[in-house]
Amino acid sequence: GEDVEQSLFLSVREGDSSVINCTYTDSSSTYLYWYKQEPGAGLQLLTYIFSNMDMKQDQRLTVLLNKKDKHLSLRIADTQTGDSAIYFCAETEILTGGGNKLTFGTGTQLKVEL
Amino acid sequence: DVKVTQSSRYLVKRTGEKVFLECVQDMDHENMFWYRQDPGLGLRLIYFSYDVKMKEKGDIPEGYSVSREKKERFSLILESASTNQTSMYLCASKSGPLLEFFGPGTRLTVL
Repeated sequence: GEDVEQSLFLSVREGDSSVINCTYTDSSSTYLYWYKQEPGAGLQLLTYIFSNMDMKQDQRLTVLLNKKDKHLSLRIADTQTGDSAIYFCAETEILTGGGNKLTFGTGTQLKVEL
Repeated sequence: DVKVTQSSRYLVKRTGEKVFLECVQDMDHENMFWYRQDPGLGLRLIYFSYDVKMKEKGDIPEGYSVSREKKERFSLILESASTNQTSMYLCASKSGPLLEFFGPGTRLTVL
């Protein structure tokens, strides 16, 4: 199966930028995703990028995609305490019978300190 | 507002019991998914379904089965619960390419 890797923890100071990194294996992924999970909650789709793009910006969020290295990153500018959560990256795996499914990374716990 | 609801937020069962986890979505989505989430392992796909009465194994189907009798409902069944099935279970649904809608999760403890 496909493999998606992330570091488990990241700690930043409030107001700094956070960069969460992810590597994936399926070069045929059409979409790559970032999800946010706050304590006690389900997953919230934060942003996504189509595989033919290098960068996508959405307010404080910047997604960078390096297809050659199969590396995806999420940058959060001006990180706030409300950004403390677990962040999951995910890739799309195309199935042999058609259709697709997502493979998730292990999640990165972001802790924002005052 | 699209909603994916799960029957219980917390569940405690004994080893050997049969356990049903229910998931309902209200947006007529064809695709529904069951994941389990464990610390350090992320989300792993147990089963998914493209349509009513259709099911496909995910990455870790052993010890689980599913039922999709109606389009809006996707049930996960633990035939004989074991302690290693203690986990957070997340249901999700989609119709297009984006997997956008997750339920709040069911935290299952098997004693």
